[in-house]
Amino acid sequence: NAGVTQTPKFQVLKTGQSMTLQCAQDMNHNSMYWYRQDPGMGLRLIYYSASEGTTDKGEVPNGYNVSRLNKREFSLRLESAAPSQTSVYFCASSLLAGGPNTQYFGPGTRLTVL
Amino acid sequence: KQEVTQIPAALSVPEGENLVLNCSFTDSAIYNLQWFRQDPGKGLTSLLLIQSSQREQTSGRLNASLDKSSGRSTLYIAASQPGDSATYLCAVEMDSNYQLIWGAGTKLIIKP
Repeated sequence: NAGVTQTPKFQVLKTGQSMTLQCAQDMNHNSMYWYRQDPGMGLRLIYYSASEGTTDKGEVPNGYNVSRLNKREFSLRLESAAPSQTSVYFCASSLLAGGPNTQYFGPGTRLTVL
Repeated sequence: KQEVTQIPAALSVPEGENLVLNCSFTDSAIYNLQWFRQDPGKGLTSLLLIQSSQREQTSGRLNASLDKSSGRSTLYIAASQPGDSATYLCAVEMDSNYQLIWGAGTKLIIKP
């Protein structure tokens, strides 16, 4: 039982390049989330998927797109990377969205955009 | 707009001490409040979740309290150990909203 896995762990991009961050969970959770964490700030929600087949914007969606590929997988795409997107990205999942449902986090992807 | 603040940003105490971490929020219309632990280079681990109707939750040496009216929560750690060294974050969920609003965290160092 691996929980929430993310690939890659580290990535360096040049401005304007694109990439996709992958996330998968093996807990049969319905809801999945993408966050970014910047120094000195709390986590900020980028997008979430309350259930398979749905996605919704979070607090900071600009510059990102997501795909809920199936119940297990939720990917985050940067179409044209910018230095402002340098951050640590976390994927999380929960049985259901919100309420008393604990979110379980992956180990993160550290992204640097030059 | 909800704002979540954690003060201090860093705290260093000797092993064995009892300590309190603070979390404050500006809008009392929360659905729940959660405390997480983050170890360097790793993801976050949920510690305690307090629903808005509850006053406190306990897990082992950890006790979290919630006072909605004053917009405050505390995380009490008893008999601290070096293994407790980590960053502790609190997050609130607003009514009818799936989104968590996060504090920036308190980095805790327990000195042997």
